Amino acid sequence: AQSVTQLGSHVSVSEGALVLLRCNYSSSVPPYLFWYVQYPNQGLQLLLKYTSAATLVKGINGFEAEFKKSETSFHLTKPSAHMSDAAEYFCAVSAYNNAGNMLTFGGGTRLMVKP
Amino acid sequence: NAGVTQTPKFQVLKTGQSMTLQCAQDMNHEYMSWYRQDPGMGLRLIHYSVGAGITDQGEVPNGYNVSRSTTEDFPLRLLSAAPSQTSVYFCASSLLLERMNTEAFFGQGTRLTVV
Repeated sequence: AQSVTQLGSHVSVSEGALVLLRCNYSSSVPPYLFWYVQYPNQGLQLLLKYTSAATLVKGINGFEAEFKKSETSFHLTKPSAHMSDAAEYFCAVSAYNNAGNMLTFGGGTRLMVKP
Repeated sequence: NAGVTQTPKFQVLKTGQSMTLQCAQDMNHEYMSWYRQDPGMGLRLIHYSVGAGITDQGEVPNGYNVSRSTTEDFPLRLLSAAPSQTSVYFCASSLLLERMNTEAFFGQGTRLTVV
């Protein structure tokens, strides 16, 4: 079984400030981890993914995430927020089994960026 | 390059009506899935398929049927709509996890209201 917890359903930052969105997971097998972004009235778009090649993963739009096995975390960060980063962000975990790559999502974090 | 196409984008149903949400992908992906998105609950898996002729239940399958007669299409049927099925529905497709490029591609979503 696998699960994802995203701490904070809403996060508000000022433009130019650090963005930190938290994600903790549980998985009975080595996980694959993903961050997706959803802009208003759109589908989900992949930001970045961890597939065991490197613990620090860089994604699009200046985002990165670090896999910490000891903390079962995969927090998303960006050094300087832009207004265009306002969206909802989803952390997801996937573990291979005979059902293929079933994604389990966290509840989502809505990021608001203040001017 | 169409990716994942969902139709319709919006739908209003009366309680007890049935309908089919369409999903098609042109990337030759083996894995397709349906999710529903509700506020604060992230995306929850309804049904999935690992190939033509093979489907299985996800986390919240009750009230929904699926079939996979071709690699490209994966329709979701609501048998007798209920207000609890008011949600945004997303279809996704991907290669199977044993291949490294496991990004899931999402459609734009179908916003369903049951009155």
